[in-house]
Amino acid sequence: AQKITQTQPGMFVQEKEAVTLDCTYDTSDPSYGLFWYKQPSSGEMIFLIYQGSYDQQNATEGRYSLNFQKARKSANLVISASQLGDSAMYFCAMREGRRGNKLVFGAGTILRVKS
Amino acid sequence: KAGVTQTPRYLIKTRGQQVTLSCSPISGHRSVSWYQQTPGQGLQFLFEYFSETQRNKGNFPGRFSGRQFSNSRSEMNVSTLELGDSALYLCASSLEGQGLAYEQYFGPGTRLTVT
Repeated sequence: AQKITQTQPGMFVQEKEAVTLDCTYDTSDPSYGLFWYKQPSSGEMIFLIYQGSYDQQNATEGRYSLNFQKARKSANLVISASQLGDSAMYFCAMREGRRGNKLVFGAGTILRVKS
Repeated sequence: KAGVTQTPRYLIKTRGQQVTLSCSPISGHRSVSWYQQTPGQGLQFLFEYFSETQRNKGNFPGRFSGRQFSNSRSEMNVSTLELGDSALYLCASSLEGQGLAYEQYFGPGTRLTVT
């Protein structure tokens, strides 16, 4: 069974500083994809970044980067130069195999950016 | 390009009633997935439809059902509503049904309250 663990229920970060949100996963499928989503208080899920299990390099998207350590089964999200608008819930999710679009989500981490 | 739309945005129903939620995917997207989000259980996958066929199904009772039309619009139905069905129901669409690198675009959700 697939499982996603986010051990940080809540995090605080000072504006303009970097923050790392932790995510570990468990799967027996060698082919999988890892996603990070942001959910502001409005409720809509916003895609941030994707990492495939066969990708050799860590994914980056603007201020977001994914620290992918395959042997440790971790996929931590790094947000650089935090902004007040980054305050939201962040979810790590995984999709297994090559059929379908079922995502399994972690419990999420609430991030609060302080000015 | 218009995003994923969900109607209605808010809904209040009474125990025992049934409800139908609608999701219109991004134009050209053939895969539609549904998720339930509650404070206690987090984000849970309900089912996925691709080209009018249910391809994946989560662990929900038979009271939860869905369908997809030829224009890829999808509906989900919950019969005999229970208090525990109160949740944010999110719909997501994806460009392609196979492969791992296709992100899912989420709609704003329908917030269902069962009294």
